[in-house]
Amino acid sequence: GESVGLHLPTLSVQEGDNSIINCAYSNSASDYFIWYKQESGKGPQFIIDIRSNMDKRQGQRVTVLLNKTVKHLSLQIAATQPGDSAVYFCASPRGGEKLTFGTGTRLTIIP
Amino acid sequence: EPEVTQTPSHQVTQMGQEVILRCVPISNHLYFYWYRQILGQKVEFLVSFYNNEISEKSEIFDDQFSVERPDGSNFTLKIRSTKLEDSAMYFCASSAGWQQPQHFGDGTRLSIL
Repeated sequence: GESVGLHLPTLSVQEGDNSIINCAYSNSASDYFIWYKQESGKGPQFIIDIRSNMDKRQGQRVTVLLNKTVKHLSLQIAATQPGDSAVYFCASPRGGEKLTFGTGTRLTIIP
Repeated sequence: EPEVTQTPSHQVTQMGQEVILRCVPISNHLYFYWYRQILGQKVEFLVSFYNNEISEKSEIFDDQFSVERPDGSNFTLKIRSTKLEDSAMYFCASSAGWQQPQHFGDGTRLSIL
């Protein structure tokens, strides 16, 4: 069936380094993707989104890349900080507005 | 910055009892959602609500669940007769329009005893 998932369940990065979190999806008709960050005890927090007519979008310290050929997207976080420690999800609306979430990558920042 | 607020943050209920989870979406948003996350699992879609009616629901959202927007600001999820397996974090979300980012509240932790 259709899926939106993440490559690695955990990722540890040195503070100040850049992080790259990857996500794969199976439905080639997916045309809108959102990255969320979830800290312990909180709800998913919107980070950045991208539509299928783009292959790159930049925000503050974050960049999302979309490769439709291989159905892959990535979230790059520049100069990671301790506050970046969280679980990161990619999500995509499926069959309407409902979001399908992946399993998440837990990003740990090493001081 | 506007945010989605949910109350209570933690609800403990006896099995078989009714529970109402409350949400105040962002004020100019038009689409409203409930999701749940069982401990250690993925966030799962329950229901979407637009123009005062359910627009989509998952197979989880059976007859024991209902949603209501009783006034211009609140959006509620009612579970009529709770079961042990209803224990989860329940998240409310809202968005400004079609394929716009959904913004989530911090959830209600529902514990069924």
